[in-house]
Amino acid sequence: GESVGLHLPTLSVQEGDNSIINCAYSNSASDYFIWYKQESGKGPQFIIDIRSNMDKRQGQRVTVLLNKTVKHLSLQIAATQPGDSAVYFCADPHNNAGNMLTFGGGTRLMVKP
Amino acid sequence: EPEVTQTPSHQVTQMGQEVILRCVPISNHLYFYWYRQILGQKVEFLVSFYNNEISEKSEIFDDQFSVERPDGSNFTLKIRSTKLEDSAMYFCASRGTVSRNQPQHFGDGTRLSIL
Repeated sequence: GESVGLHLPTLSVQEGDNSIINCAYSNSASDYFIWYKQESGKGPQFIIDIRSNMDKRQGQRVTVLLNKTVKHLSLQIAATQPGDSAVYFCADPHNNAGNMLTFGGGTRLMVKP
Repeated sequence: EPEVTQTPSHQVTQMGQEVILRCVPISNHLYFYWYRQILGQKVEFLVSFYNNEISEKSEIFDDQFSVERPDGSNFTLKIRSTKLEDSAMYFCASRGTVSRNQPQHFGDGTRLSIL
């Protein structure tokens, strides 16, 4: 959880297309990752998580891929909808007493009608 | 679905005044957190709380800040003498289990405006 960052600050996609949001991490000991969605004026909303013993996990319209070799994870959103417009963060809890989250700057997903 | 609730949604306070932000974490959760987000910036950790004591705190969480769990349901953040730079969104979060491999769930925040 020492450094979690994102490749692109803004991603613009057409409604109905698939979206891919990327995230890199630096701590090779990180073993659990969480994706959050933050809509304007709201708190971070849990989307999906993945443990390091998995390479892929699927939810409803979302898939998270984890590549431990290059310390990279991605969030794929299928058939992107206007309601998916938000800032997306990846985060991993620190391995300390508090297990606090370190957030990167986020990727703003904009869905064009 | 259970959720974290925060009150008030917006708090306007004069500089130098005390403010208390309130949170009701998800029932039966064990870990509680405060984060803040200055407009246009990242979400930043302030403090974590477990078993009725602070487990971790950041550099932001100085002597002007305190947290309390006054009863079995509320979790509060107090700022004793507010400064202009305390203006931000403050988010409360809670997590259910001892295992760190569980997500924190966030409330929708309190917007604190210091005049």
